[in-house]
Amino acid sequence: KQEVTQIPAALSVPEGENLVLNCSFTDSAIYNLQWFRQDPGKGLTSLLLIQSSQREQTSGRLNASLDKSSGRSTLYIAASQPGDSATYLCAVLNTSGNTGKLIFGQGTTLQVKP
Amino acid sequence: DTGVSQDPRHKITKRGQNVTFRCDPISEHNRLYWYRQTLGQGPEFLTYFQNEAQLEKSRLLSDRFSAERPKGSFSTLEIQRTEQGDSAMYLCASSFVGPRYEQYFGPGTRLTVT
Repeated sequence: KQEVTQIPAALSVPEGENLVLNCSFTDSAIYNLQWFRQDPGKGLTSLLLIQSSQREQTSGRLNASLDKSSGRSTLYIAASQPGDSATYLCAVLNTSGNTGKLIFGQGTTLQVKP
Repeated sequence: DTGVSQDPRHKITKRGQNVTFRCDPISEHNRLYWYRQTLGQGPEFLTYFQNEAQLEKSRLLSDRFSAERPKGSFSTLEIQRTEQGDSAMYLCASSFVGPRYEQYFGPGTRLTVT
């Protein structure tokens, strides 16, 4: 059974710092991995999607990497800003069976202090 | 707005009442997903449709829950005889069938059962 874990659960950094959020998964048979952002009381915004054959994806100040063999992904945020404060969720789509469901971690809540 | 929309955004109901939520996916997407998220947790998969066919249901979807997508466009999620444990954010997402299966989420419906 696939399990997704995100560490740390919460993180507070001063503005301008570079930071790394971690995501680990127990079953390496994944089709893809998505990183999402969620603001309080809101829905999820897709940030980056990495296919299983890819090693990393970049969008602006965000860079996500994927190491399937070790069951890990990281989300790197460069030059953090107060507007980056939110909960960041990673989710995997398994290849086993014809499933469409994403399996989520519990999220990392990020606070960037001005 | 061409994103995923959900209605209502908030619903307060008394225990034992029935509630129905609606989701309108991105129009070209043929897959539609329902997830449930409780406070401090990542979303959990409930069910998904490909066109009008319901392809997978989670064990979380008890017999009090039913979902439909009658014409392969919008979907409804009904909860009968609501319980306080049903209080959660109900999220809808949609995607294409392949190659990326990238899921795009709506703003969610916040259900409070009193």
